[in-house]
Amino acid sequence: GQSLEQPSEVTAVEGAIVQINCTYQTSGFYGLSWYQQHDGGAPTFLSYNALDGLEETGRFSSFLSRSDSYGYLLLQELQMKDSASYFCAVRFHSGNTPLVFGKGTRLSVIA
Amino acid sequence: NAGVTQTPKFQVLKTGQSMTLQCAQDMNHNSMYWYRQDPGMGLRLIYYSASEGTTDKGEVPNGYNVSRLNKREFSLRLESAAPSQTSVYFCASSGGLEYNEQFFGPGTRLTVL
Repeated sequence: GQSLEQPSEVTAVEGAIVQINCTYQTSGFYGLSWYQQHDGGAPTFLSYNALDGLEETGRFSSFLSRSDSYGYLLLQELQMKDSASYFCAVRFHSGNTPLVFGKGTRLSVIA
Repeated sequence: NAGVTQTPKFQVLKTGQSMTLQCAQDMNHNSMYWYRQDPGMGLRLIYYSASEGTTDKGEVPNGYNVSRLNKREFSLRLESAAPSQTSVYFCASSGGLEYNEQFFGPGTRLTVL
């Protein structure tokens, strides 16, 4: 079977850096994605890692270690608008196939 | 481009009633998905369609049916709604050069009384 673990809640101060971890256990692995969802909104894509290492997109970075079945999302220079839920998701078959989502981490950014 | 659209946005049903949730995408994507989202449960896949003419069950298919009407449209039907199906339903699509990214519709908030 497939399972993903991520913390349920994280609180951080505006301007700080926060890391949201995701560990996975799947029968196959072809990549780790991250999605952001604001309250009442739809999930939106943030990043995708197929290979080990760090991918940077502006204030957001995502890291993957396939040998450790582990990844994280790093948010820098936190802003109040970053308060949202963040989901990791694993593609466990090659090609254009479904994702398995984690239960999400609710990030609260405080002043 | 509208991206992924869903109708209706909100719906209240009584137990035993039926309804169809509509989803359409204008990005020429091959794959389309239906998810449900419940508090603390993340997104769970109900059904998906890897290409026009094919559908497959996801993690939680019981009580639902789907139709891939054409490449653009993928509908989800509840034949006899139950209170356990109260949830937010999201349709998504992916394909082409962007297949690692799923594009989500705005969601349908369904309450079954």
